[in-house]
Amino acid sequence: NAGVTQTPKFQVLKTGQSMTLQCAQDMNHEYMSWYRQDPGMGLRLIHYSVGAGITDQGEVPNGYNVSRSTTEDFPLRLLSAAPSQTSVYFCASSYWAGEGYGYTFGSGTRLTVV
Amino acid sequence: TQLLEQSPQFLSIQEGENLTVYCNSSSVFSSLQWYRQEPGEGPVLLVTVVTGGEVKKLKRLTFQFGDARKDSSLHITAAQPGDTGLYLCAGVTTDSWGKLQFGAGTQVVVTP
Repeated sequence: NAGVTQTPKFQVLKTGQSMTLQCAQDMNHEYMSWYRQDPGMGLRLIHYSVGAGITDQGEVPNGYNVSRSTTEDFPLRLLSAAPSQTSVYFCASSYWAGEGYGYTFGSGTRLTVV
Repeated sequence: TQLLEQSPQFLSIQEGENLTVYCNSSSVFSSLQWYRQEPGEGPVLLVTVVTGGEVKKLKRLTFQFGDARKDSSLHITAAQPGDTGLYLCAGVTTDSWGKLQFGAGTQVVVTP
């Protein structure tokens, strides 16, 4: 039972480069989300999806794109990396558990933009 | 300004002591969760509370949801070094349909 798998675990980019952070879940969860975590700020929601073909913006969406063509995958694209995007990125999948949403997080991608 | 304000930001205590972490907001939540995060890992769900005034216990951890569903607390009794970690509260507001938003976290360090 893999849960939520994020790749890569570490990445260094130069300013202006683009890249895609991969996220896959094998639990057939409807909802998937991307968060970034910066020191002293907890996790901030970037984008989320309530099902294949449906995405919406979170608190800090600028500079990031997402798409959801399948239930399993929810990639996050950085179009032109900036030093302000240096952060740890977490992908999560969730479902309605009857008593709140049950969230499972991946182990994160540590991104440095130089 | 974050939707959920956690306090304190940092807590260092000796093994055997008790501690309480608070999570406050001006918004009403349909559900509120507490997570613990270890270095290099994603947050792991500890508990979900959904009813105002609800109290849940998980071994030495006690979670309360405020009557108005705007605040919550986490109390640890007789803390152990294994309780060390970043504790995060997170909630879904009544109008946000599954969007989980986090507080900034409380770093707890329990020394032997």
